[in-house]
Parts: sequence; structure tokens; C-alpha cells
Amino acid sequence: NAGVTQTPKFRVLKTGQSMTLLCAQDMNHEYMYWYRQDPGMGLRLIHYSVGEGTTAKGEVPDGYNVSRLKKQNFLLGLESAAPSQTSVYFCASSYSVRDRVKNIQYFGAGTRLSVL
Amino acid sequence: GEDVEQSLFLSVREGDSSVINCTYTDSSSTYLYWYKQEPGAGLQLLTYIFSNMDMKQDQRLTVLLNKKDKHLSLRIADTQTGDSAIYFCAEANRDDKIIFGKGTRLHILP
Repeated sequence: NAGVTQTPKFRVLKTGQSMTLLCAQDMNHEYMYWYRQDPGMGLRLIHYSVGEGTTAKGEVPDGYNVSRLKKQNFLLGLESAAPSQTSVYFCASSYSVRDRVKNIQYFGAGTRLSVL
Repeated sequence: GEDVEQSLFLSVREGDSSVINCTYTDSSSTYLYWYKQEPGAGLQLLTYIFSNMDMKQDQRLTVLLNKKDKHLSLRIADTQTGDSAIYFCAEANRDDKIIFGKGTRLHILP
């Protein structure tokens, strides 16, 4: 049982390049989330999904797109990277109907992205 | 709007108790959580408390909830160097939305 797996762990991009971050969970969770973490800013929600085929905007969605084609995967795309997107990105998942306590989020180890 | 506030830093001597405080604004919170983030890792759930409880104890951890004042605290007894981390308070409201605080960095002094 791997939990939440994020790939890649590190990436350096040049301004204007594109990339996709992959998140995979094996807990049969319904909900998945993408956050970014910056010093002094805590966690900020970028996009989230409450089920396969659905996505919604979070607090800071601009410059990012997401897709949830399969229940276990949640992809975060940067179409044209900017230095302001230098951050640590975390994926999380939560909620299965078997959960006794709802809304506990399980996090991946993070992706450190630098945009030069 | 909904908000969760916590102080950014706390320094504690090894062996002392650490108390990390959190305040929240949403009175419809159902669950409140404490997450721990160790360096270079993601957040991990440390403990949680249901909103109709006022205290929960789990080994060295004690969670106190004052629903009237919307105040949550996490006490770590006999603080060890391995407790050095960032601690996030979070609440879940009736719409299943989770709000995280900005995190408190706990620094352990020798």
C-alpha cells in the first residue's frame, strides 16, 4: 500500500516551458487535491476533484490546469511556467465511503519545482 | 470568511512541554485536525478531535478544544528532538471543506 505517490520529486524548468506533475493514490479515495507550499504562506489549494471526471478551482488556480481521467490519478499541468510558480507542490487525497472519520487528507512527499 | 490562525514559530527546551495554539472562525466545524510536516516530507495526520469533544489524549499528545472561544491547542509532553517539525491546524466544515492554518514551526532547544 503506497498511499499517495507524486512524480517527479524535483524539476527545474525554464520560463515558458510546460510540464505535468502526476499524483497517484491507491486508497480508492474520491477526493484529490493539489496544493502549493511557499514560505510564510502555508498551504494554498490550487485545484481539487471530488470524483473521476470532475475538477474545481481552489484558492490559486491561475496558470495551472488539472485533469482526473481515472479515479486514482490527478494531473497538474503548467502550460507556460513562470518564476512565480517556483514552489513545493503537494498532492493529497481523502474520503472513501468506508472512512470512519471523514476528510482526513493523505499527502504525497511533494515535488520541488524551480522555474528559472 | 473562514480562517484558521496559528503562530508561526515556537521554541521549546528538550524535555519540556510544547503547546501549539490555533484559533478558527467557522462555528460549523465538524472535525479539527493536527498535522505534522517533517523536513522534506508531506503532511501527516497526527491526531484529530470531533467537535463535540473537549479533550483527547493519545500518549504524549493532548488536544484541547474550546468550542465557545473557537480555540484548539496541541500539547506535546516531554518534547524530543524528533518532534521538531511544522505543525498545521486544520478544520473541516459541514460542506467537507478543509481549511489549513499556515503552520507553526516547532524548534527544540538542547
